[in-house]
Amino acid sequence: AQSVTQPDIHITVSEGASLELRCNYSYGATPYLFWYVQSPGQGLQLLLKYFSGDTLVQGIKGFEAEFKRSQSSFNLRKPSVHWSDAAEYFCAVGAIRGAQKLVFGQGTRLTINP
Amino acid sequence: EPEVTQTPSHQVTQMGQEVILRCVPISNHLYFYWYRQILGQKVEFLVSFYNNEISEKSEIFDDQFSVERPDGSNFTLKIRSTKLEDSAMYFCASSARGESGYTFGSGTRLTVV
Repeated sequence: AQSVTQPDIHITVSEGASLELRCNYSYGATPYLFWYVQSPGQGLQLLLKYFSGDTLVQGIKGFEAEFKRSQSSFNLRKPSVHWSDAAEYFCAVGAIRGAQKLVFGQGTRLTINP
Repeated sequence: EPEVTQTPSHQVTQMGQEVILRCVPISNHLYFYWYRQILGQKVEFLVSFYNNEISEKSEIFDDQFSVERPDGSNFTLKIRSTKLEDSAMYFCASSARGESGYTFGSGTRLTVV
């Protein structure tokens, strides 16, 4: 069965510092991988996705993620965070074809110190 | 950019009442979904819908729940007799075929009192 683990429930970083949010997945085939961001009381916004090809994917708001098959990981990174990046971040995995159900991780809450 | 629209944004209902949550998916999308997020918890899959029928549902999606695409644009989730534990944010999503990924709506916050 598919599963996603986000080991860090809460991370605090200073504004301008670099960020890495961890995501590990379990899936029987080549997965589709996603990162979503959710601001308080808001919906889910897609940051980036990986389907195939280049394992380093670029997303919106200066985020990137790297797919590492050998480690079953899809970590999210940003070189310099801004106060507006404070939010909840969810990693998700889905099937390749058809009505692809997404399985989400527990989420990582990001707090930015000024 | 195309959006998935959900209405209402917030609904309060009494326990035992029926509620219908409404969604307008992106017009050329073929797959439709409902997810829910209980406060402070992760987003959970409820049901997927394709070609006018349910393609997959989770164990959460019991007989109290139903989905419908009554016309060419709307996609609804009905909860027949709401329970306190149905209080959650409900997200609708749609996707085109294959690699396109999802677009989520902004959600309906359902509060059962």
